[in-house]
Amino acid sequence: DGGITQSPKYLFRKEGQNVTLSCEQNLNHDAMYWYRQDPGQGLRLIYYSQIVNDFQKGDIAEGYSVSREKKESFPLTVTSAQKNPTAFYLCASSRTGMDNEQFFGPGTRLTVL
Amino acid sequence: QKEVEQNSGPLSVPEGAIASLNCTYSDRGSQSFFWYRQYSGKSPELIMFIYSNGDKEDGRFTAQLNKASQYVSLLIRDSQPSDSATYLCAVNGNNFNKFYFGSGTKLNVKP
Repeated sequence: DGGITQSPKYLFRKEGQNVTLSCEQNLNHDAMYWYRQDPGQGLRLIYYSQIVNDFQKGDIAEGYSVSREKKESFPLTVTSAQKNPTAFYLCASSRTGMDNEQFFGPGTRLTVL
Repeated sequence: QKEVEQNSGPLSVPEGAIASLNCTYSDRGSQSFFWYRQYSGKSPELIMFIYSNGDKEDGRFTAQLNKASQYVSLLIRDSQPSDSATYLCAVNGNNFNKFYFGSGTKLNVKP
């Protein structure tokens, strides 16, 4: 089965800690994305990558970092510099070009204690 | 001005009725348009995409695109209680790989 997996499903962070959210896809998609969703709101783009070893900041990149060392993987680190990290984090992937609908993983719910 | 605007709702329709969801966008260069359904606590799932002006039908769903007026809509025929969810409109800007999402319209289908 092709798809996108995210882990963990739930994550609890203490103040001052860095945490890393995993995202893996086996759809052979070139592009991958990280979004943040707050209650009752839409999706806001954190980072995206169109090719291995390259990525761009989205609209709310401050306090986050990413890497894209493999086509299949796009982990997101939420650093201690992110002041309000409690949210639902969604990873997506797509082909590049016109035919590029995004498919989402199941999400990680991060809570700061 | 937001890139993509949707009425937050909730939109309430009786079972069996047609639900009409609307979305406007600001970037005239946008090339492709998507509708996602999101159940509470879950991730978005793709329902429809449309690239050309006019209508595109898939089962009970019809997407309508009017580039001149910069709006895209989703019609759900014979609405079912299982259609109750938040519907997100997404628009692909000039940069093909950057999507802009609306904040979603919550749909309630009453039995």
